[in-house]
Amino acid sequence: AQTVTQSQPEMSVQEAETVTLSCTYDTSESDYYLFWYKQPPSRQMILVIRQEAYKQQNATENRFSVNFQKAAKSFSLKISDSQLGDAAMYFCAYRSANRGSTLGRLYFGRGTQLTVWP
Amino acid sequence: KAGVTQTPRYLIKTRGQQVTLSCSPISGHRSVSWYQQTPGQGLQFLFEYFSETQRNKGNFPGRFSGRQFSNSRSEMNVSTLELGDSALYLCASSWGLWGQEQYEQYFGPGTRLTVT
Repeated sequence: AQTVTQSQPEMSVQEAETVTLSCTYDTSESDYYLFWYKQPPSRQMILVIRQEAYKQQNATENRFSVNFQKAAKSFSLKISDSQLGDAAMYFCAYRSANRGSTLGRLYFGRGTQLTVWP
Repeated sequence: KAGVTQTPRYLIKTRGQQVTLSCSPISGHRSVSWYQQTPGQGLQFLFEYFSETQRNKGNFPGRFSGRQFSNSRSEMNVSTLELGDSALYLCASSWGLWGQEQYEQYFGPGTRLTVT
């Protein structure tokens, strides 16, 4: 089974600074998707960014970018110019693209609680 | 387009009772997945329904069951509630078709279940 590990239970950053959240995963599959979800205090899960495993280019969405290292099975999230609204729990998630696997299932890490200081 | 809705948002039940939670997916989505979120275990996959059929199932006891209707709305049922079932239950909808797995699962706001 796939496992996703987030080794940083908590992180903090000063407003306008940059922070990087770490994620590693374990899989024997070659084709898959990786996601970062944000869960603010409202508990609504919101997609931040996605990465296709077959793409070498790192995904970017405005202030959010990833460092995807397929061989190392590493998928970190960088938040630039941090804002107070970025404060939330961030989850790294894995989804298989293998037709013989579980399409409708996301495997989540335990999350990293990000605090943003003014 | 309307998002994923879950009802009720909050629920308090007593041990031994049963509970039914409802999830209405985004229009056109045929897959509904359910997750349990607790501080101790994190986010755990319960099951997924696609076109009224359970397609995948996580490692939960038989007390947890679900179903999906022809309009893709889904319900999950927990019988003989235990204190440990207290959690946030999230449902997520997606297209559910191969070739579209790159698209995200859209999550509902969750149902907070408290078992006393």
